[in-house]
Amino acid sequence: SQKIEQNSEALNIQEGKTATLTCNYTNYSPAYLQWYRQDPGRGPVFLLLIRENEKEKRKERLKVTFDTTLKQSLFHITASQPADSATYLCALDMGPGAGNMLTFGGGTRLMVKP
Amino acid sequence: NAGVTQTPKFQVLKTGQSMTLQCAQDMNHEYMSWYRQDPGMGLRLIHYSVGAGITDQGEVPNGYNVSRSTTEDFPLRLLSAAPSQTSVYFCASRQGAGSNQPQHFGDGTRLSIL
Repeated sequence: SQKIEQNSEALNIQEGKTATLTCNYTNYSPAYLQWYRQDPGRGPVFLLLIRENEKEKRKERLKVTFDTTLKQSLFHITASQPADSATYLCALDMGPGAGNMLTFGGGTRLMVKP
Repeated sequence: NAGVTQTPKFQVLKTGQSMTLQCAQDMNHEYMSWYRQDPGMGLRLIHYSVGAGITDQGEVPNGYNVSRSTTEDFPLRLLSAAPSQTSVYFCASRQGAGSNQPQHFGDGTRLSIL
């Protein structure tokens, strides 16, 4: 089965710096990879999706890369703000045998200090 | 739009009791799913449905039942609660079959089994 690894330790950075979060996966390479944000006491919220043939995707201050050779995705937040503090989850599809449902990593908690 | 609505938000049960976690979505999404989230474990798929009348098992289905009689509703039943089922439960929906579709999550039900 697909296994996803995200750094379980919190990432603490200073406001204005770039935050970089890592998502590594094993086994087969998915067609798509998604990133979600989760605030305490809330459900995950979709942020970005990247396809296997896309090396990079941007949305405002967010940038996602997808390296199918390394089986890794990097999630960057530039000019970080305290409001960016949250847990960030990456998710991959489980394949057609599981209805293309998503499997999630454990998330990385980001703390942006003013 | 309300999106995905889960009730109740909090519940405490005794071992052996039964209950139903409710989930409703107003986006006319075909796909719905239930996840549980435990510290350090990420979101794990319990059951999912690809349309009314169709359900299937995810990674951790034991101890849970589901049904999908309408497009809008996807309740999750615990027949005989066990302490190992203490968790936060999230319901999600998405437009269609492709894993390129973002998932929309409810805000969760926090369940404690004593």
